[in-house]
Amino acid sequence: DVKVTQSSRYLVKRTGEKVFLECVQDMDHENMFWYRQDPGLGLRLIYFSYDVKMKEKGDIPEGYSVSREKKERFSLILESASTNQTSMYLCATRTGNGYTFGSGTRLTVV
Amino acid sequence: QKEVEQNSGPLSVPEGAIASLNCTYSDRGSQSFFWYRQYSGKSPELIMFIYSNGDKEDGRFTAQLNKASQYVSLLIRDSQPSDSATYLCAVPYGGGTASKLTFGTGTRLQVTL
Repeated sequence: DVKVTQSSRYLVKRTGEKVFLECVQDMDHENMFWYRQDPGLGLRLIYFSYDVKMKEKGDIPEGYSVSREKKERFSLILESASTNQTSMYLCATRTGNGYTFGSGTRLTVV
Repeated sequence: QKEVEQNSGPLSVPEGAIASLNCTYSDRGSQSFFWYRQYSGKSPELIMFIYSNGDKEDGRFTAQLNKASQYVSLLIRDSQPSDSATYLCAVPYGGGTASKLTFGTGTRLQVTL
């Protein structure tokens, strides 16, 4: 089974900081995704990538960017963190049927 | 973006009963459907997927798909307290390499003793 690892379980950052969230998968899958999850709003797609250096905006890309230099690693970047980016961030990779998620990073911006 | 609708709940059922969770979707062309379970503070995990009309059974779980009415259901038989979680319905949109899942907001299930 594929394993998706997110580097941090909890993060606290200050407003205006540049924040990097890292995600690594171990099965050479092409498609990777970043979602955020907020109460009452469900999972919303921020960005996704279907190959190295390939990326596409999801539904809520504003304030975020991504990097995929190697197939196994997909990074989410908050260029200048704001309090409204406090959320649970979930990375996923597309497997044969559905997605496999990482354990999530709960980011708090103060 | 395609829409996926779920009742947020909570849906409360006694232990041993059947829990019925429903999901409606807006894109009539959707071909496949996924059910995820998410425990509080954890990430979603895939429990069922279904492609064709009718029922698909896996242990205590049954997924039912009705494409004409655009809904998909998840039945949990002999509900256990460990089934208490939020259940997310997901539908792919976009094609080929650009395919991505859109999720409903989830239904919270509580199984009571």
